[in-house]
Amino acid sequence: EAQVTQNPRYLITVTGKKLTVTCSQNMNHEYMSWYRQDPGLGLRQIYYSMNVEVTDKGDVPEGYKVSRKEKRNFPLILESPSPNQTSLYFCASSPLWNEKLFFGSGTQLSVL
Amino acid sequence: DAKTTQPTSMDCAEGRAANLPCNHSTISGNEYVYWYRQIHSQGPQYIIHGLKNNETNEMASLIITEDRKSSTLILPHATLRDTAVYYCIVRVPEDVDSWGKLQFGAGTQVVVTP
Repeated sequence: EAQVTQNPRYLITVTGKKLTVTCSQNMNHEYMSWYRQDPGLGLRQIYYSMNVEVTDKGDVPEGYKVSRKEKRNFPLILESPSPNQTSLYFCASSPLWNEKLFFGSGTQLSVL
Repeated sequence: DAKTTQPTSMDCAEGRAANLPCNHSTISGNEYVYWYRQIHSQGPQYIIHGLKNNETNEMASLIITEDRKSSTLILPHATLRDTAVYYCIVRVPEDVDSWGKLQFGAGTQVVVTP
């Protein structure tokens, strides 16, 4: 089944403890991106990747890192999480940058 | 800022058509209009997209004005399961370095009532 898989689905952590949210797609898509969603603010893009080894900042990249070492995976790294990064996170992919997006089920992150 | 403008919310009676407007006055000639919806806190779901011509699929119809500055998503027979936030998105890539950027905006909260 074609899908975008995020893990974990829920995560509770403490301030400063490094964490990684994984994202994997099995559709050979070139484009992948990360979003965060906060109440009343819609989805805001964190980072995106046009292809392997090509990543760039979205609208809210501060406090996050990403890597794209292989086509299928696009992990989101929080080196030192803070409470203001408590949010619902979504990963998405598309065949090319301007085609329809396929979204993962989301990761609810709470930073205490 | 988002490149589209949508009403914050709208109600629709079950079984009736829901018409969701979207303004995208800065759209460029080669940009598609995409519509997604998000049910509660699930991942957004693709609905439909179009360039110039009107489009229809099993979920909805998309009407794009001739000047392409606005569009309307039509849910022909709304059901309770269509209650969701609907996002209209366009990309305006004047700058090739921004091709991958995407802004969703706040969307329209649609509530379908019995």
